Amino acid sequence: DIVMTQTPLSLPVTPGEPASMSCRSSQSLLNSDDGNTYLDWYLQRPGQSPQLLIYMVSSRASGVPNRFSGSGSGTDFTLKISRVEAEDVGVYYCMQRREYPFVTFGQGTRLEIK
Amino acid sequence: EVQLVESGGDLVEPGRPLRLSCRASGIPFRDYVISWFRQAPGKGLEWIGIIRSNIYGGTTDYAASVHGRFSISRDDSRSVAYLQMNSLKSEDTAVYFCAKGRNRRPTSTWYFDLWGRGSRVIVSA
Repeated sequence: DIVMTQTPLSLPVTPGEPASMSCRSSQSLLNSDDGNTYLDWYLQRPGQSPQLLIYMVSSRASGVPNRFSGSGSGTDFTLKISRVEAEDVGVYYCMQRREYPFVTFGQGTRLEIK
Repeated sequence: EVQLVESGGDLVEPGRPLRLSCRASGIPFRDYVISWFRQAPGKGLEWIGIIRSNIYGGTTDYAASVHGRFSISRDDSRSVAYLQMNSLKSEDTAVYFCAKGRNRRPTSTWYFDLWGRGSRVIVSA
């Protein structure tokens, strides 16, 4: 299994300030056959189900504000929020699907408002 | 409204079976894969299985943690997928989510873009 490791586990942020969180995989998520890197980000707001934020490292899902951006390659990935809003509170999970359908998640980064 | 709704969660004794349902509305259900995930209390997300659309054989795959105990099926005429859980253990206690994904290439689009709200399963004597 590909192990996903996220840091930090807790991220207190002042509204309007930027936020950044990391995700590292135990193996490269690059599929050399098709050149794609299979890393997605999900947000689970309190009491809700996960929602897709970012797919294929840096593509925003439909309806996701452009203050969210993803980057990275190989085994190291980053999710950034340019200006945090109150509605961004929740747990952010990275998920690899390099070994689809045997996808695995990181343990999550909990974003809270200071 | 486009949604997935899970149901069937309950308090069940260890060793007993339970079946969850995932009912879709507002989407062409037969065109999509359905995956099941779970989240133990206070824990992260775990993928547990998938069923592909019947045009791709309706095949299934399972996580090692549930392989041989859990099975997934689908009834496209009713837009419902099922998660049959047998020989339940205390460690199966979790909220179970279903989510839809694509079958058709490109594989870059095989993310999970619609999730249900979850169904709670508690395994306890």
